[in-house]
Formats: sequence, C-alpha cells, structure tokens
Amino acid sequence: EPEVTQTPSHQVTQMGQEVILRCVPISNHLYFYWYRQILGQKVEFLVSFYNNEISEKSEIFDDQFSVERPDGSNFTLKIRSTKLEDSAMYFCASSEASGVLDTQYFGPGTRLTVL
Amino acid sequence: AQSVTQLDSQVPVFEEAPVELRCNYSSSVSVYLFWYVQYPNQGLQLLLKYLSGSTLVKGINGFEAEFNKSQTSFHLRKPSVHISDTAEYFCAVSASNTGNQFYFGTGTSLTVIP
Repeated sequence: EPEVTQTPSHQVTQMGQEVILRCVPISNHLYFYWYRQILGQKVEFLVSFYNNEISEKSEIFDDQFSVERPDGSNFTLKIRSTKLEDSAMYFCASSEASGVLDTQYFGPGTRLTVL
Repeated sequence: AQSVTQLDSQVPVFEEAPVELRCNYSSSVSVYLFWYVQYPNQGLQLLLKYLSGSTLVKGINGFEAEFNKSQTSFHLRKPSVHISDTAEYFCAVSASNTGNQFYFGTGTSLTVIP
C-alpha cells in the first residue's frame, strides 16, 4: 500500500538555525499538509498546499515557516530560524482531493528538537 | 472555532475486554468527525470517519464509533481488544466552514495488557 514518508525521523538543531523537514507524499495525491504536535499537546494544523501554492494556513504558520514542492515528489517544510518552542513532532499528510470527503494520509512524523 | 477534547490520556485494558475511548467536540457549524490510530514509529492511519447519515460508523480492525449530536460526542469502541490494538488514538474534527483543516485532540494512549 502506498504511504507517505518523512525524513529525517529525528532532527536535532541549535536555536536560530534553519531546518528543512522533508516529505514524500503518495504519488497521485495533489493536496499536501503539515501538522505539528508539541509533546503532550494537540496535533495542530499548520498549512495546506495545492497547485504549488498555499491554500490555507493557521496562525502558527508565521513568516519563519515556508513550504515548497521543489520537484515532482518532495514536499518540504522550512523553519528559517528555529526557536525552542518549535520543538515538536511534525507530520506531513497528503490527499488525492480536497475536503473531508477524501482521506488525508499521514507520514510517521519527524521529531524536531531545538536546543 | 472548533475544538476536540479527549478526556482520557491513557487507557489500560486487559486483552479481550471491551474498550471505549472518549471524544467530545465543540463547533457552531456542522462537523465531520474522524478517529486516527498511530502505531509506534508509524504515521496516523484513518480508523473511521463520520460525514453524514447513520450515526453508527464502523471502521477497520473491529472499531466503531457513534456520533451523538446532542452530547457532542464521538466515542470510539471495540467489544474485544487485542494486544495489537496498543497504540495512540486521535480524535479529529473538520467543520463545514474550515476547508481542509483538521482539529485534533491530544490523543489517548491505549495499552492492552495480556
């Protein structure tokens, strides 16, 4: 069964450094998403992406965050200057179509630790 | 705005016993409700979803959930659990006016004891 993959599984970085989290969505999917879960808290929506542009974003997704689909397979989340509070599990998801009628498939997550 | 509350952070249960994982939501508009499961070192996998119609929804692995609009609940149940059901379970809601955004609960860790 096709699946969403994410790399790395664990990323450790120093505060102020840039990080790029990578995701490979399911190949025929057109909609892509990033979520994060701070330890002990809820999984929170960050952004959705379609047709090479952001379609929705939450308040969390400020100017230090950006997303990109640099080629036909990867979908990346960049945090420009990491803060301690960016430490979290980041989940990528993809869906074939838009809206709740279509299932979002999630990757295993990348645990980001900012020191 | 929408929100989801999962009342139990950890639920231990003996093998072959029944289990109920509780989920309550708040929303001012029509909602769509989901349960996801996360096995260790894996991604979130959809267990079941309620979009409309029958309030009793059956999902994979013998799980079912019932949408109760008056109580704003969507509790997950299984009549007899297996060791392999040990995982983290997330309830999520999406509303008719929030597009693709999902709002998740904090998760319930189900541990099945042999």
